[in-house]
Amino acid sequence: GAGVSQSPSNKVTEKGKDVELRCDPISGHTALYWYRQSLGQGLEFLIYFQGNSAPDKSGLPSDRFSAERTGGSVSTLTIQRTQQEDSAVYLCASSLYAGQGDYGYTFGSGTRLTVV
Amino acid sequence: AQKVTQAQTEISVVEKEDVTLDCVYETRDTTYYLFWYKQPPSGELVFLIRRNSFDEQNEISGRYSWNFQKSTSSFNFTITASQVVDSAVYFCALSEYGNTDKLIFGTGTRLQVFP
Repeated sequence: GAGVSQSPSNKVTEKGKDVELRCDPISGHTALYWYRQSLGQGLEFLIYFQGNSAPDKSGLPSDRFSAERTGGSVSTLTIQRTQQEDSAVYLCASSLYAGQGDYGYTFGSGTRLTVV
Repeated sequence: AQKVTQAQTEISVVEKEDVTLDCVYETRDTTYYLFWYKQPPSGELVFLIRRNSFDEQNEISGRYSWNFQKSTSSFNFTITASQVVDSAVYFCALSEYGNTDKLIFGTGTRLQVFP
């Protein structure tokens, strides 16, 4: 597609439930990133994909968080047993290549997750 | 350790005023990239500029200009003759070359431009 697409745009879930957030990167972009933006905070790196591999998962806050990418395209971020502190906007970004610093990311509009 | 500091949490100006958003960074690497992003109320982050550590020339793009000074580890952003449409949260970010292009963001500066 023309831009990075994320779904759903808003998600309200009960504490303890699992949620899946989806990201459709720009076609042909090999690198994909997930970030989290909590209220009043900057953006926090979660995980990076190059193709279907995730060489850097260092930002995942706990083992309740996982992500996968299939076909070098769509990525899903899964949060198990959600907690209230997971409430945030989850942003996905893609870029043509990674490791070169030459390209600004293209970000999606994010998924606003609210855990009640 | 890598760190980006945006000390100004919120700035309010009246239209047509000039405004400068400050960004100070820390990194041990000699090769790195600095970025500015704009986040309007719609929430989507918009890429404004990328600057590598070897290029200290100031850059101007329309009403926007950037001042990169390695001596003070700063990468400040100035909007000249601000407009209401400039109202947004602005983020400064850092990435290290040869890495994953993982970005380290500052906490952002909310700019409100009043008519």
